[in-house]
Amino acid sequence: DAGVIQSPRHEVTEMGQEVTLRCKPISGHDYLFWYRQTMMRGLELLIYFNNNVPIDDSGMPEDRFSAKMPNASFSTLKIQPSEPRDSAVYFCASSFLTFRGSYNEQFFGPGTRLTVL
Amino acid sequence: GQQLNQSPQSMFIQEGEDVSMNCTSSSIFNTWLWYKQDPGEGPVLLIALYKAGELTSNGRLTAQFGITRKDSFLNISASIPSDVGIYFCAGAPPYNQGGKLIFGQGTELSVKP
Repeated sequence: DAGVIQSPRHEVTEMGQEVTLRCKPISGHDYLFWYRQTMMRGLELLIYFNNNVPIDDSGMPEDRFSAKMPNASFSTLKIQPSEPRDSAVYFCASSFLTFRGSYNEQFFGPGTRLTVL
Repeated sequence: GQQLNQSPQSMFIQEGEDVSMNCTSSSIFNTWLWYKQDPGEGPVLLIALYKAGELTSNGRLTAQFGITRKDSFLNISASIPSDVGIYFCAGAPPYNQGGKLIFGQGTELSVKP
């Protein structure tokens, strides 16, 4: 079975450019999460969706960040304009309702390593 | 907001040794999870715990949900080189709106053959 798919795996861009990260969750999963990982701040939740609807975007750093989920099998995280401090690894994760009645078991993609010069 | 304190931050051990790491919080959690992250990859779920006092094993890994609901530990027995990586605990607070987790800062494990 395919896991969470993210693209690109690596992205190098210059400050001011627009960056779009893509995610395909595991089929049948109801929740989708976007995280950012840095050495200084660890894993930070940016935003998450339930059935394609954004539920909590309180972790989005600022207006330069936006996320969409147009359908159950695709989500994007966009940064416009990008800045050097956005350099990090961005993860997408998805979850489903387990037999224990929980959505807490999140499955992560391989991540996108973003470098903004 | 709620935070998780994970310790130790790093461990350097000899192959064959047992390992123990833990997470604590000042607040209660309804679920504890343990993940492992290999270099260049995303975290992989190892164990999920749902009840206070629950003890669950996955091969050489054993994790427990503390009875106070404010802590959890992970043990690895007879470590091998492929155990190298970063281990994260994660907790789901009460009323966490469907799967929102709080992550610890990670324990980096190094195993010397």
